[in-house]
Amino acid sequence: DSGVTQTPKHLITATGQRVTLRCSPRSGDLSVYWYQQSLDQGLQFLIQYYNGEERAKGNILERFSAQQFPDLHSELNLSSLELGDSALYFCASSVIGGAWEQFFGPGTRLTVL
Amino acid sequence: EDQVTQSPEALRLQEGESSSLNCSYTVSGLRGLFWYRQDPGKGPEFLFTLYSAGEEKEKERLKATLTKKESFLHITAPKPEDSATYLCAVQTLLYSGGGADGLTFGKGTHLIIQP
Repeated sequence: DSGVTQTPKHLITATGQRVTLRCSPRSGDLSVYWYQQSLDQGLQFLIQYYNGEERAKGNILERFSAQQFPDLHSELNLSSLELGDSALYFCASSVIGGAWEQFFGPGTRLTVL
Repeated sequence: EDQVTQSPEALRLQEGESSSLNCSYTVSGLRGLFWYRQDPGKGPEFLFTLYSAGEEKEKERLKATLTKKESFLHITAPKPEDSATYLCAVQTLLYSGGGADGLTFGKGTHLIIQP
């Protein structure tokens, strides 16, 4: 158990809908990362927050957004969902940014029908 | 663009048969190289971080090494419970594609240890 929690575990929804994924980092970690894992693309970095502020963006679509709240939990919002958005979404956290190890949560499996 | 290539894609070994997994990388400036283990449907589990060429780290039957172009994960006398996908990832010094602290992952090596 990494100490990172994610809810829900599974999410099934329809094209065009909007969903919110939630992540609680390990106690004391200030940095939160979101990743998407699909069979063809592998694990891809989406976005990073550090102590409530956006720090870096990766391959995140404009339809996706995220935020980190004062209690350091984070939410990833996915809107106008398409079939291709079906994937595993992982949250990771680290003590601070930089080359510190990132600890991953169990993931949310999103299925778009 | 940062690239991470892992080989082989899949590897099947007998219990006790040692081997090595390869991770080659092309980056603008390496800040750290990470190894993770991932079981099906689970989140990646952190194994090692390597920072500079020549560095080695060990944990039980696993040993990770780093050169300027690649990293190896050596598995000594593996057991069936070592079966998993092993992922290599890099973090770079310079802003690259928008991810200052985000990790760039390889596609992984799917390892099966047969009893």
